[in-house]
Amino acid sequence: NAGVMQNPRHLVRRRGQEARLRCSPVKGHSHVYWYRQLPEEGLKFMVYLQKENIIDESGMPKERFSAEFPKEGPSILRIQQVVRGDSAAYFCASSPRAGRQLEKLFFGSGTQLSVL
Amino acid sequence: AQKVTQAQTEISVVEKEDVTLDCVYETRDTTYYLFWYKQPPSGELVFLIRRNSFDEQNEISGRYSWNFQKSTSSFNFTITASQVVDSAVYFCALRQTGANNLFFGTGTRLTVIP
Repeated sequence: NAGVMQNPRHLVRRRGQEARLRCSPVKGHSHVYWYRQLPEEGLKFMVYLQKENIIDESGMPKERFSAEFPKEGPSILRIQQVVRGDSAAYFCASSPRAGRQLEKLFFGSGTQLSVL
Repeated sequence: AQKVTQAQTEISVVEKEDVTLDCVYETRDTTYYLFWYKQPPSGELVFLIRRNSFDEQNEISGRYSWNFQKSTSSFNFTITASQVVDSAVYFCALRQTGANNLFFGTGTRLTVIP
């Protein structure tokens, strides 16, 4: 009965490097969401994916950020050429139902990204 | 437009006291869903409750209770006889009809002092 698994738990990058955050949803869940939590703020929606498809990326920054959820394997949030402002906790959540029928989200423990 | 306001940034109570966490929301939808999540020090968000806008019945689950007042757009959360393990950040969230995601408030950090 594994929940949402995120790794790494902590990630340190220097400015200009790439950050790759991984998320394995609850077994059987095909809907994945990524949220970002800045210090002293609530969670901000970034992107919603189903297997192999991006459904809603209205919260994703237009540049340097991308997400995928391949047919096999975990969902990946990629941040290219990181800057200090990218430092935050990134949470992944999954659900068994489609976004418009969303009842609740199951969250992982997050990845804390620190950009030096 | 949607908005979730948790005006209490931090609250400290002594163990066994009751505490109420406030949540006020704004939405143009007539049908929507409200949530509370708990974020303990471990970081993972834990689902506590989901409420439909058309169901204003208050709910109690053990020491937890929720008061949904549509007239004042509030969905407050009360912990009775608080315990140290209740120390966490609590988030209120809103999902509008047809939305793909939850919109979160900024959270209330609750500290229960033994």
